[in-house]
Amino acid sequence: EVQLVESGGGLVQPGGSLRLSCAASGFTLSNYAMSWVRQAPGKGLEWVSAISGSGYSTYYADSVKGRFTISRDTSKNALYLQMNSLRAEDTALYYCAKHPSDWPLNGDYWGQGTLVTVSS
Amino acid sequence: ETVMTQSPATLSVSPGERATLSCRASQSVSTSLAWYHQKPGQAPRLLISGASTRATGIPARFSGSGSGTEFTLTISSLQSEDFAVYYCQQYNNWPYTFGQGTNLEIK
Repeated sequence: EVQLVESGGGLVQPGGSLRLSCAASGFTLSNYAMSWVRQAPGKGLEWVSAISGSGYSTYYADSVKGRFTISRDTSKNALYLQMNSLRAEDTALYYCAKHPSDWPLNGDYWGQGTLVTVSS
Repeated sequence: ETVMTQSPATLSVSPGERATLSCRASQSVSTSLAWYHQKPGQAPRLLISGASTRATGIPARFSGSGSGTEFTLTISSLQSEDFAVYYCQQYNNWPYTFGQGTNLEIK
């Protein structure tokens, strides 16, 4: 059974950093692309970043480019999102999502999310 | 960026009736279009990919159609568990983008 469990969210001041983790089980991370998608309180969904199954290709939304970095550790079957220079508008529930192939497509499995709050 | 526009914003339908949701892309996304629904406090769940292919475990009452810029999700006979927010998402052009959602509520 595929399971995705996010962690690492919390309250951080503007300009601060956080590292989100997504523990994957039930499949081998290196065979599938993965993404981070966020949802601001009461708002819709926004694709933040994706990484291909090989790990060689990464993609970022313009809103986070240069500040966020997606990565993974295949030995731990874990996905990460390093978030620097955080802003109030980054406040959201962050989901990790698995793709059905080694290339980012639709998200076929989603975690329950971890909440990031950026506030002084 | 490919802008996805969903209509209507809110759709009120009685259980057992048909619901039709629309999604329009600002440029062609071919059939690289997915539909999700999201219930309060839950993660999104994939319903349809490739514009018309039901995901694993999704009942046959859900059907998707369209290509290019115009897409439709039809729920043939609404069940109580279908009332939720529905999102379309294109994955043809990076950045991948979602529509703003259609809130399907009980009439």
